[in-house]
Amino acid sequence: GPKVLQIPSHQIIDMGQMVTLNCDPVSNHLYFYWYKQILGQQMEFLVNFYNGKVMEKSKLFKDQFSVERPDGSYFTLKIQPTALEDSAVYFCASSLEQSAETLYFGSGTRLTVL
Amino acid sequence: SQWGEENLQALSIQEGEDVTMNCSYKTYTTVVQWYRQKSGKGPAQLILIRSNEREKRSGRLRATLDTSSQSSSLSITGTLATDTAVYFCAATPSNMGYKLTFGTGTSLLVDP
Repeated sequence: GPKVLQIPSHQIIDMGQMVTLNCDPVSNHLYFYWYKQILGQQMEFLVNFYNGKVMEKSKLFKDQFSVERPDGSYFTLKIQPTALEDSAVYFCASSLEQSAETLYFGSGTRLTVL
Repeated sequence: SQWGEENLQALSIQEGEDVTMNCSYKTYTTVVQWYRQKSGKGPAQLILIRSNEREKRSGRLRATLDTSSQSSSLSITGTLATDTAVYFCAATPSNMGYKLTFGTGTSLLVDP
């Protein structure tokens, strides 16, 4: 089936540093999402993105977070500066339609902030 | 508010047994989806059921939706060891069409 690729699979950084998580969505999809999952907990919605714009964001999407798809390929989540509570697995997803009836998820990037 | 809420469970069963997982909602939704997440992987959609459907089947999977009680269930018949995963229900609120909200998940362990 359709694949969403996330790079890297694991990233370790020091608190205060900047980090960029990369996502290669399904090629013909138009809607992109980031979710955050702390170990053992549910997936929590961060943000969705369409046509170069943030459509909706949650309270978890702090001012230090930003998303973009600069070259039409990778969809990125940037955190600057990082905090300890940002440690989690971040999942990227994409969908063809706005209704979010079928999201395709990547395998996640495990971010560890020291 | 919490759009989707799942009865948090950790289930351990033997291969071949049947299992049912439940999910309840606090608010109206038009679509309920069930996802499976295997260790180290992202969630993958298993089945989608709409508010005008009471039951949906896909292979060994059966989902039900009861809009009056705002609840859904996912049943797996003849479980396999490869069904070991965390199962999430997810809701798309009718007035928040492009935001999918997940429940807390049911961890299922199927012993071979």
